[in-house]
Formats: sequence, structure tokens, C-alpha cells
Amino acid sequence: DTEVTQTPKHLVMGMTNKKSLKCEQHMGHRAMYWYKQKAKKPPELMFVYSYEKLSINESVPSRFSPECPNSSLLNLHLHALQPEDSALYLCASSQPRQGAADGYTFGSGTRLTVV
Amino acid sequence: GENVEQHPSTLSVQEGDSAVIKCTYSDSASNYFPWYKQELGKGPQLIIDIRSNVGEKKDQRIAVTLNKTAKHFSLHITETQPEDSAVYFCAARKNNAGNMLTFGGGTRLMVKP
Repeated sequence: DTEVTQTPKHLVMGMTNKKSLKCEQHMGHRAMYWYKQKAKKPPELMFVYSYEKLSINESVPSRFSPECPNSSLLNLHLHALQPEDSALYLCASSQPRQGAADGYTFGSGTRLTVV
Repeated sequence: GENVEQHPSTLSVQEGDSAVIKCTYSDSASNYFPWYKQELGKGPQLIIDIRSNVGEKKDQRIAVTLNKTAKHFSLHITETQPEDSAVYFCAARKNNAGNMLTFGGGTRLMVKP
């Protein structure tokens, strides 16, 4: 299995809702990432998990709460979002250190719309 | 930190022509340079990468060149096809930054049939 699977593909939520984005990989990667991508922009790093521990939080507002239950799963819990949080949310995985397998594998993303 | 500049932001070519996208990076400690292709509604997909101990790498119609002295690297696509139309991102990784990537701003490539 060489895929990163993200669910749901599309999500519309109100500003008072609580929702979660899910990401799963079975490539044995021990680093997983959440990225936010606005239209016509590159992916912007939000969080990095390395060996299931949060290693990087790029000053993301607390209304975004990541969780890594095990080495294959990564969640992003959403609460009290703002319309400007509407974006494509990408999950990626890789080996945590440099080596023979350096590349990231990205999921197809969740298109989030906050109304 | 690392800064990656990518040019052009948009590129339109005729089918069969070549396309070249260029990136420059700021940190001489960077040692790994991947290129990603993102089609509409999909996540970025790794298409080719190069390490700092190599000057050029080729995979069928795509090639990447690296000039460490000038701190720039380029993606070359030959015999372009309409299915090459997408947004392309370059990225760079520092030697002591785990596997963290810094992305360029992206190039929208349009191949006209």
C-alpha cells in the first residue's frame, strides 16, 4: 500500500461546529504532517508528528487540535473555525529522518468550507 | 530559515514543446530537492528528486538539474503533453532539519493541444 488516505474529501461546517479530519497510511512511515493549502498557494506546514509525538507546531491557532493515535493514523480536530480557515487540508507521511526514502507521500486532501 | 523562490508563476507551452521551471534556494546547507506535481482536486505527487551530490537526474521526459554553487535547480519537461498541465512545486530540505521541506510558490503549467 503506497497511499495516504484522507477522509472526508469535502466538508462544510458552521463556525460553531466540531468536526475531525482523518488520515491513514500503511507504508510504515513514522512521520506524519498536516498542511493547509489556500488556492494558488503552496502547502503551508501546520503540524509534524515524529514517532507519534508532536514535534512541530507552526504557531497554529488552538481551534486546530492534532492527534496521532498510532503510527498509521493522524487526526485533525476542528472547533470554532473561522471562514478564513476554508482551505484544502493535506496530510502527508514520510520517514522522519533523511535517508534513502526521502520523499513525502501526500493524500488527496479534505476541501474544507467554513460557513 | 530556508527560502525557496520559484519562477515563472505561470507557463504556457504548445504540445510537444519543452518546459523549464526554475527554483533558487537560500541555505547552502540544503541537500535534497524534490519536485511535486499537483493536479486539480488532488494532493501533490512526487515526480522527481535530486540530492546535492548529483548534478542531473533524468526520468523519461522529465529531468532535474542542480547547480550548488549558484543555489538553483530546474525542472525540464520535454515533449510536453496536455496531461502535463498542472501546478508544479519545487522544494528544498536542509541537512540538519530532519525531513522538513520548504516549498516554492508553484508554477501553473498549461500545455495547449
